[in-house]
Amino acid sequence: GAGVSQSPSNKVTEKGKDVELRCDPISGHTALYWYRQSLGQGLEFLIYFQGNSAPDKSGLPSDRFSAERTGGSVSTLTIQRTQQEDSAVYLCASSLSGGAVDTQYFGPGTRLTVL
Amino acid sequence: AQSVTQLGSHVSVSEGALVLLRCNYSSSVPPYLFWYVQYPNQGLQLLLKYTSAATLVKGINGFEAEFKKSETSFHLTKPSAHMSDAAEYFCAVSVRGGSEKLVFGKGTKLTVNP
Repeated sequence: GAGVSQSPSNKVTEKGKDVELRCDPISGHTALYWYRQSLGQGLEFLIYFQGNSAPDKSGLPSDRFSAERTGGSVSTLTIQRTQQEDSAVYLCASSLSGGAVDTQYFGPGTRLTVL
Repeated sequence: AQSVTQLGSHVSVSEGALVLLRCNYSSSVPPYLFWYVQYPNQGLQLLLKYTSAATLVKGINGFEAEFKKSETSFHLTKPSAHMSDAAEYFCAVSVRGGSEKLVFGKGTKLTVNP
């Protein structure tokens, strides 16, 4: 079956511009996660959605970052007024029910470069 | 708070040699532990996970890991390395309660020499 998909695969933008990154989770998975992978910081949790519950936004690095999940499926991560330190690979993952023991399935990522 | 330490950011082995990638965790409650592999320009793929059912966990591609509570370790091993094992490996701990997010180690890049 289809895995987690992300688009675009690569995004180059200029400092100060807004960007939107999209994630399509595995069908039927109720939990969705965003992580950021950068050379200096490794893999960091950003935000978590589980069903209709309020999202856990504890990993978002600043108020320039936001995310939404529409209809319990597709999610969009938005970065406003991008900065060079936002350059990283943004990974999306989904799991069946969001439990601590659940396997998270990762997408291929979106590589964001801020010039 | 949970944390993971991976000793050695780079490990190099010869084809056919033992692979040993080290992971130590810190957790105030019994953890769930995961090993993921990342091939170049790809996402992460689960190799295996510890869920407290058995301390020796077998995963895909011949990898296994042993949970040792007394040493707070979850080292990844494979008896005989293949060229195709060259990748980056991440150990992660799951945070019980709350969002069950994964907390990752910094990763270990494995090189396999012919």
